[in-house]
Amino acid sequence: AQTVTQSQPEMSVQEAETVTLSCTYDTSESNYYLFWYKQPPSRQMILVIRQEAYKQQNATENRFSVNFQKAAKSFSLKISDSQLGDTAMYFCALYTGNQFYFGTGTSLTVIP
Amino acid sequence: KAGVTQTPRYLIKTRGQQVTLSCSPISGHRSVSWYQQTPGQGLQFLFEYFSETQRNKGNFPGRFSGRQFSNSRSEMNVSTLELGDSALYLCASSSGGRGLGETQYFGPGTRLLVL
Repeated sequence: AQTVTQSQPEMSVQEAETVTLSCTYDTSESNYYLFWYKQPPSRQMILVIRQEAYKQQNATENRFSVNFQKAAKSFSLKISDSQLGDTAMYFCALYTGNQFYFGTGTSLTVIP
Repeated sequence: KAGVTQTPRYLIKTRGQQVTLSCSPISGHRSVSWYQQTPGQGLQFLFEYFSETQRNKGNFPGRFSGRQFSNSRSEMNVSTLELGDSALYLCASSSGGRGLGETQYFGPGTRLLVL
C-alpha cells in the first residue's frame, strides 16, 4: 500500500525567510513521481514542483526546491524568500502509475 | 486554454437526497479523476475515468459513482447522502497517458454541505 505522511498540520514563517515543509512516503514501487501541490485559500490547487524518483538531482522551481532522500523516503519542500502569496495549504503527493496518493496537508501562513 | 471547470460551485442538500456534480476537463485531456477533500483527511481518491471507462477506483462505498462522456466531461453522483459526505469535491484532468509524471490540473471544486 502507498502512504503519504505530512506531520506538520500548520506552520508559519516570516516574510522573506525560508521554511521547510516535511513529507514522508511509503511505496514498494521502484518507479514513481512525487509532487508538491499548493492550494491557496478559496482558490484552485496548482502544481508547485515535481520530482522523478529515478533522478538523484533535487528539483527546483524558482524559490521552491525539494530535498529528496530516496532511501529515507523523504521529500521535503523548501520555500526561500517567503512571500505573502505563499500562504496556502500544501499537499505532498505520490504517483505510482495508477493513482495519486495525497498527504493530509500543511497549512502555511506567511507573516508580514 | 480554459482550465478545469466544475459545476455547481456550492450545493446544500439534506440527508437521503442524491446529488450530481459535473466536471469539464481541459480541452484535449482524456482523464478525469475525482477526489473528496475534508479537513484533516486531505484528498481521498474516488475514481478515475479515461475514454468513458472507469480506470481506477478508490475505497468509497457504492453510493459514489461516476461516468464520463465522449467529450471527456465527467459527472459524479452520490446517492442517499449522509452528513459525512459534506466535503469539497475536486476533479482533476490530465492527458491520460500512462507515463509517470503526468501533472494533474485541478478544478475549483464543488463544496457540498449535507444537512
